[in-house]
Amino acid sequence: GAGVSQSPSNKVTEKGKDVELRCDPISGHTALYWYRQSLGQGLEFLIYFQGNSAPDKSGLPSDRFSAERTGGSVSTLTIQRTQQEDSAVYLCASSFRGREVTDTQYFGPGTRLTVL
Amino acid sequence: KQEVTQIPAALSVPEGENLVLNCSFTDSAIYNLQWFRQDPGKGLTSLLLIQSSQREQTSGRLNASLDKSSGRSTLYIAASQPGDSATYLCAVSNSGYSTLTFGKGTMLLVSP
Repeated sequence: GAGVSQSPSNKVTEKGKDVELRCDPISGHTALYWYRQSLGQGLEFLIYFQGNSAPDKSGLPSDRFSAERTGGSVSTLTIQRTQQEDSAVYLCASSFRGREVTDTQYFGPGTRLTVL
Repeated sequence: KQEVTQIPAALSVPEGENLVLNCSFTDSAIYNLQWFRQDPGKGLTSLLLIQSSQREQTSGRLNASLDKSSGRSTLYIAASQPGDSATYLCAVSNSGYSTLTFGKGTMLLVSP
């Protein structure tokens, strides 16, 4: 079956522009995560969606970052007024959260964002 | 705040060697620990997941151990191959519904 997919794979934008990054999780997975991997840094948690619950936004670095998940499936991460420090690889992951809460997160290939 | 450290940052070995990658975490109250592999330009692939109640997990040539009380985990790779070359990431979860806290990874190069 298909894994987690992300689009675009690469995005180059100018400082101050808005960007949207898309994630298609594995079908049937109820949990969806966004992470950011900056050069020389570890993966940094951004936001987490679980079913119809309110998302955990505790990792978003500023109010320029937002995300939504429509219909419990596809998610879009939006960065407004991009800054050069936003340049990073943005990774999406999904997992199945049923009765068994301990599970494996499956990652997409990421979107490499470059802000000029 | 949970912090995860991985040592060494980079490792280069000849093919066939057995090797150990280290991971330590500051908050021992973890729910589980995962080891991932990341190839250049690609996403992460989960290798092993250890529940907090477990001591180790094995998959093929990989063996991961967990000492929760001391805040340490090791990933043992037996008979290394050039195809094992990648960055290996350790990540911990502090509750059943929490997200992962990652280390910065160990970049492994296995030479033929």
